[in-house]
Amino acid sequence: DVKVTQSSRYLVKRTGEKVFLECVQDMDHENMFWYRQDPGLGLRLIYFSYDVKMKEKGDIPEGYSVSREKKERFSLILESASTNQTSMYLCASKFGSRGLRFGNTIYFGEGSWLTVV
Amino acid sequence: AQSVTQLDSQVPVFEEAPVELRCNYSSSVSVYLFWYVQYPNQGLQLLLKYLSGSTLVKGINGFEAEFNKSQTSFHLRKPSVHISDTAEYFCAVKFTGNQFYFGTGTSLTVIP
Repeated sequence: DVKVTQSSRYLVKRTGEKVFLECVQDMDHENMFWYRQDPGLGLRLIYFSYDVKMKEKGDIPEGYSVSREKKERFSLILESASTNQTSMYLCASKFGSRGLRFGNTIYFGEGSWLTVV
Repeated sequence: AQSVTQLDSQVPVFEEAPVELRCNYSSSVSVYLFWYVQYPNQGLQLLLKYLSGSTLVKGINGFEAEFNKSQTSFHLRKPSVHISDTAEYFCAVKFTGNQFYFGTGTSLTVIP
């Protein structure tokens, strides 16, 4: 079974703090994603990474950065947390070009609930 | 621009009644289609997917979906719902490239 693990399920941070959300996958997936989920807005892509050290902005990258130093790990960084970043954050991963043989399915972690006060 | 539309944000249905959750997408080019389910306080789990072949796809928990290329739709159905089906359901489409596009979700509430 594919496992995507998000290290923190629930966090409470203060405005202005630097926040790290960590995600690890155990399936040798090339592609990894960070989404945020808000009521009525569905899932919105923040950043994605094609492979190690490769990253691209998604639909809402402002206020976020990412790091992918190892294939299995993809970190989301809030440089200076703000209250409008209170949300649920979902990490996901899938195969890249090999995905054609494995069904192109994207797998999700359990989510990280971040509250910024 | 690519888009995925789930018109129904909330669907209440009585237990053992049939249900259909609608999904339409923007493009008629080759796509891969998925339905995911999210139970409270959890991540998304794959229900079913269409990659090619038969347009009727069967998934877990008795759900099925039908790919209709001419209508660019991928509606999810279940003939008889259970209380345990209460959850949020997301339609997702993979167009060319590596990105997935998600609908805004449909909250299914099964009423006893």
